[in-house]
Amino acid sequence: SAVISQKPSRDICQRGTSLTIQCQVDSQVTMMFWYRQQPGQSLTLIATANQGSEATYESGFVIDKFPISRPNLTFSTLTVSNLSPEDSSIYLCSVERDRPNTEAFFGQGTRLTVV
Amino acid sequence: GQSLEQPSEVTAVEGAIVQINCTYQTSGFYGLSWYQQHDGGAPTFLSYNALDGLEETGRFSSFLSRSDSYGYLLLQELQMKDSASYFCARSPSPNDYKLSFGAGTTVTVRA
Repeated sequence: SAVISQKPSRDICQRGTSLTIQCQVDSQVTMMFWYRQQPGQSLTLIATANQGSEATYESGFVIDKFPISRPNLTFSTLTVSNLSPEDSSIYLCSVERDRPNTEAFFGQGTRLTVV
Repeated sequence: GQSLEQPSEVTAVEGAIVQINCTYQTSGFYGLSWYQQHDGGAPTFLSYNALDGLEETGRFSSFLSRSDSYGYLLLQELQMKDSASYFCARSPSPNDYKLSFGAGTTVTVRA
């Protein structure tokens, strides 16, 4: 199994500011994923982050709003920019092992409240 | 958007059996996973089916019928700690690691 450290665990931010979330994995992984989970809702994939290339964003998510870095095989950051109350959500990073697609591991999430 | 349908909530008593159904669109489907998430916690993997049939893991089992575009998670001998949200998630292909999640089923276990 993978151990994923995600921080901060929670934050309260002013609208118009940005928050950067960090995700550290205890082993090298090819792909890292960032999800958003709005209160009481399901998980929605924001983007896939591969080391050495630009992240691939899902429909409805853009790089200007959610810039992602992936400097090495164990670390990634997601920034949520120009915050508005609608960005209040839990943000989760996830990884899967480089093996047939079965199990995904998740960080504990970052609970963001925008005021 | 989600292309998986599951009930929004289920309530049962300790020791009971609960079945959570999940139906999905067949386009771009490879396998079905199940995840448990306690309030405020990270989703944790429970089970995965790529082939038809039943996968048993302790008190939890998962079933898939590709011909019916349908799967379920079976929770047996319910315990209070099983109160959580349960999500089905589809994988589009063996080489595509992205997951699409259903809306989740909140299971409440009563004494």
